[in-house]
This record gives sequence, C-alpha cells and structure tokens, in this order.
Amino acid sequence: DQQVKQNSPSLSVQEGRISILNCDYTNSMFDYFLWYKKYPAEGPTFLISISSIKDKNEDGRFTVFLNKSAKHLSLHIVPSQPGDSAVYFCAASLYYGQNFVFGPGTRLSVLP
Amino acid sequence: SQTIHQWPATLVQPVGSPLSLECTVEGTSNPNLYWYRQAAGRGLQLLFYSVGIGQISSEVPQNLSASRPQDRQFILSSKKLLLSDSGFYLCAWKVALDSPLHFGNGTRLTVT
Repeated sequence: DQQVKQNSPSLSVQEGRISILNCDYTNSMFDYFLWYKKYPAEGPTFLISISSIKDKNEDGRFTVFLNKSAKHLSLHIVPSQPGDSAVYFCAASLYYGQNFVFGPGTRLSVLP
Repeated sequence: SQTIHQWPATLVQPVGSPLSLECTVEGTSNPNLYWYRQAAGRGLQLLFYSVGIGQISSEVPQNLSASRPQDRQFILSSKKLLLSDSGFYLCAWKVALDSPLHFGNGTRLTVT
C-alpha cells in the first residue's frame, strides 16, 4: 500500500513559468513533509520541508503548501529554470519518527 | 560541515557473490544512519536504519543485512546476491529527530 503518492510521473514546463508538483498521502499520522530533488546518478538533495502546524513554507523560488484536510501537499517553483530539470520526490514522516516514506517521484523538465 | 561518503559508485557483481557497501559520515557525532534502495523507475524504499552502534532496524525482509561497527560507519552486506538486488543504493544520515535526511551519492549495483 503506497502511503505517499505522486500521481504525475512527469511534467514539462516552459522556462520562467511556474512548476507545480503534487503529492498525496494516506496516513493521517504523518506530520512532517519534505521535498527532494534528484539528478541522475546522484543522491537526492533536500529542498524544503514543512511541519503540520504550518500550511505554507517558502525558501527562495520554492514554496511548499500543505492541505491537511485533503492530505495533499504541493511544491511550487517560480520561476522555473532549466537547471530545475530533475526528479522530485515527496516524503513524509512522523515528526519524531525514524522512517521517511517517499513517493515514486515526478520527473520535471523545464524547457528553454 | 557534515559530509557523507559512500562507495563504490558503481558495482557489477555476479549472482551468488557477496556484497559489501560502505558509508561514512564526517563532521557529526551519533547520527541516525539509513540505507535506502531505489529500484528502476520506482521511489526510495527504506531498507535499514540505525540510531546507534550495533543498533539496526530492518524495514523489509530481504537478502541483505546491515551493520554499524562504528558511530559514523554503516555497512550494507549480502552473503549471496540475487538478480533482484540490482538497484541504486543510498546511504543517508540525520542528527536531530525533526531534521531532514541527507543522502550520499549512491551506489549503482548491477547483479548479472
């Protein structure tokens, strides 16, 4: 049973426009959420996180939104740049938990 | 600053051969350490985690084992590799319970 879902395997966006990556989760006990970016043949790089006491967290061009009632979070990248082309993973955890559950990833392509 | 080293970067092994992947973390003490695997086209699956020397928790039954002989060293092993063990293996660490995971660059294992 997949506890963290990313239903879009891929997404293409024009450079300069907004990229919106979506993630859904099923376990209502999750209260810490993260986004990672991964280039081929490299480990994932942490981008941004949010705890369940917030509904929005910003860091530069990256903003994560959390809708707890819908068990949904999204990552907004504005403006999108060609260097943002990568696979993006959503992850969830209990706030003091040891296990991070990852989604299957969404491949973002930013077209020049 | 903290760094994580994982080696080798790539490995090709025949079925039935043993495996040893090593991961070390520098610049921190008493980290939580993790082994994840990414199968082709899939998300990250937690294999093992450790909260201290000699303490190993296994998340999924499998052909692999893990050991933590020193505070900042984590080893993934197998006595006899299977074809299904092929994948991208990632070591990760974190220090605080409410902090993100930080990944190494991974090992691409191909079992032939």
